[in-house]
Amino acid sequence: QVQLHESGPGLVKPSETLSLTCNVSGASMTGYYWSWIRQSPGKGLEWIGYILYSGATNYNPSLESRVTISLDTAMTQFSLKLTSVTTADTAIYYCARDQRQDWSDRWLDPWGQGTLVTVSS
Amino acid sequence: DIRMTQSPTSLSAIVGDRVTITCRASQQVGKYLNWYQHKPGTAPKVLIYDVSILRSGVPSRFRGSGSGTDFTLTISNLQPEDFATYFCQQSYSSTRTFGQGTKVEIK
Repeated sequence: QVQLHESGPGLVKPSETLSLTCNVSGASMTGYYWSWIRQSPGKGLEWIGYILYSGATNYNPSLESRVTISLDTAMTQFSLKLTSVTTADTAIYYCARDQRQDWSDRWLDPWGQGTLVTVSS
Repeated sequence: DIRMTQSPTSLSAIVGDRVTITCRASQQVGKYLNWYQHKPGTAPKVLIYDVSILRSGVPSRFRGSGSGTDFTLTISNLQPEDFATYFCQQSYSSTRTFGQGTKVEIK
């Protein structure tokens, strides 16, 4: 059974870089895309981007200039970096398994429990 | 981006009620419309994928329907464990987008 768990600093200063990691256990990352999603306080969900196990990425155009998603070489975790953060980046950040490599099974399942990141000086 | 408009944003209901949540896409999304349940502090869970297919283990009181741009999640015989937030999501576009969520509360 695949399980995902987010980790990283809960507090980031404005203008700095937010860095989070999603640990994947219970199954291989091969053959799937892997997504980051966030939910700001009182707002809806915003998809940040995804990475394929091969390393190919796709980002939300609204965040593309500040986002990098990468994969570790052992393919047991993937990471999110968001640069030049502001208070608007305060959110619960989730990771999730996305579609298969062949673009089938286009839903997010499973998700991690999420990690709250607050941007504040 | 494909905008997903969900309604209502919240509703109050009692155990046993039938609840209907709608989701409208700003353009057609084919079959790539999914519904999730989210309870605070937990991981969101997919309930229904590809418009109407119930994920394994999800009770049959949940039903998804619709086509093109208009979709519905119906919960029949609402149970205490169903009080949660529900949101729709499209995967037609490589830029995933979500509805703003519907909070189902106890009346």
